[in-house]
Amino acid sequence: DSGVTQTPKHLITATGQRVTLRCSPRSGDLSVYWYQQSLDQGLQFLIQYYNGEERAKGNILERFSAQQFPDLHSELNLSSLELGDSALYFCASSVAANTEAFFGQGTRLTVV
Amino acid sequence: GQQLNQSPQSMFIQEGEDVSMNCTSSSIFNTWLWYKQDPGEGPVLLIALYKAGELTSNGRLTAQFGITRKDSFLNISASIPSDVGIYFCAGVIIQGAQKLVFGQGTRLTINP
Repeated sequence: DSGVTQTPKHLITATGQRVTLRCSPRSGDLSVYWYQQSLDQGLQFLIQYYNGEERAKGNILERFSAQQFPDLHSELNLSSLELGDSALYFCASSVAANTEAFFGQGTRLTVV
Repeated sequence: GQQLNQSPQSMFIQEGEDVSMNCTSSSIFNTWLWYKQDPGEGPVLLIALYKAGELTSNGRLTAQFGITRKDSFLNISASIPSDVGIYFCAGVIIQGAQKLVFGQGTRLTINP
């Protein structure tokens, strides 16, 4: 158990809908990262937060947004969902910005 | 640029064989990380490297931080069936806004 908690584990929703994925980092970790992994693909970096502020942005679509709250948990919001958004979404956390990161178990999103 | 080139993309070996994979980049890194991902699970941190030339072992796994700071390798000795999975390298780029970037992964398959 990495100590990073992601909910829900599975999510099935229809095209056009909006969903929110939640991540609780390891105790003491200030940095949270979000990654997207499509079937048999690598880890696509979406966005990183550090102590509540956006730190780095990857190839995140405009339909996607995220935030990190004062208690350091983070949420990834995906809207106007398309079939191609079906993927595993991982959250990772680290003590400082860009040190060793620990991953949650992921949320498997299926858009139908 | 900041891309990590991980090779090989896939490996098919016999149980008991040694395995070697590497990551290279044109950018300079101050941290190299190696992860293993089992199907449907989150990546698990195997080894972290922080100094150029550093050689670190974790059981049958050995990883090295390249002297040039632009590469790293991972070796697995005497492979066993549970070594099957996808191995990812990741690195923290040293210049600019430090980012944690991932290689595309090496898929390891073992024939018993």
